[in-house]
Amino acid sequence: LAKTTQPISMDSYEGQEVNITCSHNNIATNDYITWYQQFPSQGPRFIIQGYKTKVTNEVASLFIPADRKSSTLSLPRVSLSDTAVYYCLVGAPMNRDDKIIFGKGTRLHILP
Amino acid sequence: GAVVSQHPSWVICKSGTSVKIECRSLDFQATTMFWYRQFPKQSLMLMATSNEGSKATYEQGVEKDKFLINHASLTLSTLTVTSAHPEDSSFYICSARVRVAQTTEAFFGQGTRLTVV
Repeated sequence: LAKTTQPISMDSYEGQEVNITCSHNNIATNDYITWYQQFPSQGPRFIIQGYKTKVTNEVASLFIPADRKSSTLSLPRVSLSDTAVYYCLVGAPMNRDDKIIFGKGTRLHILP
Repeated sequence: GAVVSQHPSWVICKSGTSVKIECRSLDFQATTMFWYRQFPKQSLMLMATSNEGSKATYEQGVEKDKFLINHASLTLSTLTVTSAHPEDSSFYICSARVRVAQTTEAFFGQGTRLTVV
């Protein structure tokens, strides 16, 4: 499993766009990049997953450069309810019995 | 999306007693489920992989006699914390993966807050 590095914490204000970058220098060819969100006292929730270039869904965008050694989760116009911990994970989740190992995550705090 | 449900959401027990936590996949079959523990302000730590019809696989440092895992059906895995002590107080979360196109997506239960007094 590729090791990931992301900022421990970030602060932003309501209405701003927030970008959280994750480094994964030893990403393998078969690895995907997946981001999860976790609110206090809840289980993590899948946000977005990508392999290369850009992926967008109703919640976020994921930007992956050509070398795939990093990725950026972009949250448009955040609100107070986006305050959570965001985890970047890299792996080849092809099988249902593949383990998911979490890193430390980024604690995002949205201010009014 | 798929739903993974845990029960109970929270439990308080006396030191020395055992506590059982259930994890159910509500709309899909899960031959494999994962159990995590999370302490305050920390990340999720994988404890074990629960395998339907066979023994669980424990991560290094996790006592298998302390944390008993049973996966008797394709939709239910249970974690029993035996002879619980205050240091076992934590947030326990289960997870299962579902195949989506060429990859899989992990779904997590809502977690169980265990407090041992």
